Amino acid sequence: DQQVKQNSPSLSVQEGRISILNCDYTNSMFDYFLWYKKYPAEGPTFLISISSIKDKNEDGRFTVFLNKSAKHLSLHIVPSQPGDSAVYFCAARGTSGTYKYIFGTGTRLKVLA
Amino acid sequence: DTGVSQNPRHKITKRGQNVTFRCDPISEHNRLYWYRQTLGQGPEFLTYFQNEAQLEKSRLLSDRFSAERPKGSFSTLEIQRTEQGDSAMYLCASRPSSAGELFFGEGSRLTVL
Repeated sequence: DQQVKQNSPSLSVQEGRISILNCDYTNSMFDYFLWYKKYPAEGPTFLISISSIKDKNEDGRFTVFLNKSAKHLSLHIVPSQPGDSAVYFCAARGTSGTYKYIFGTGTRLKVLA
Repeated sequence: DTGVSQNPRHKITKRGQNVTFRCDPISEHNRLYWYRQTLGQGPEFLTYFQNEAQLEKSRLLSDRFSAERPKGSFSTLEIQRTEQGDSAMYLCASRPSSAGELFFGEGSRLTVL
């Protein structure tokens, strides 16, 4: 049962434009959501997070939006840069009864120069 | 370098052999996680330690897998009688109790021939 889903395996965007990566989840008990970036042969690197009590969090070029009623979050990158080309994972943390973070399958972003 | 350190970075072994991976978390982080990642998938949770206590194990962790964190600092993940299906990237992550984001190491890639 895939509780965190990233339905777009890949995305291509022109340099300077906005990249929007999407993530859906099924468990309404998740209380904390994160985005990670991963380059080949490296571990995931934390980008930005959001608590379930908020609907938006911004850090420089990165903004995460959370729509709890739709069980949907998105990561906006603006402006996109070639160095942003990587695989992006969303993750969610459970609440009582579990300590684990559950990851989506990832979206490969390619920013074209 | 004060990040999460994993060794070895790459291990090639024959089916049936035992392998052990080591993770040194960031020094003030009392929470430690092991994940496994295969091609095209997101990281899958294996186990979680709070200090030296192993508080959660995934059903993915068969009896051939064992993890320890004897003094609440470094951790080891041992796989006995390896199978080809164990080939994957094994990721270690840590975090302090005060923060929500996981900090990942660069991973240990296992290839079982």
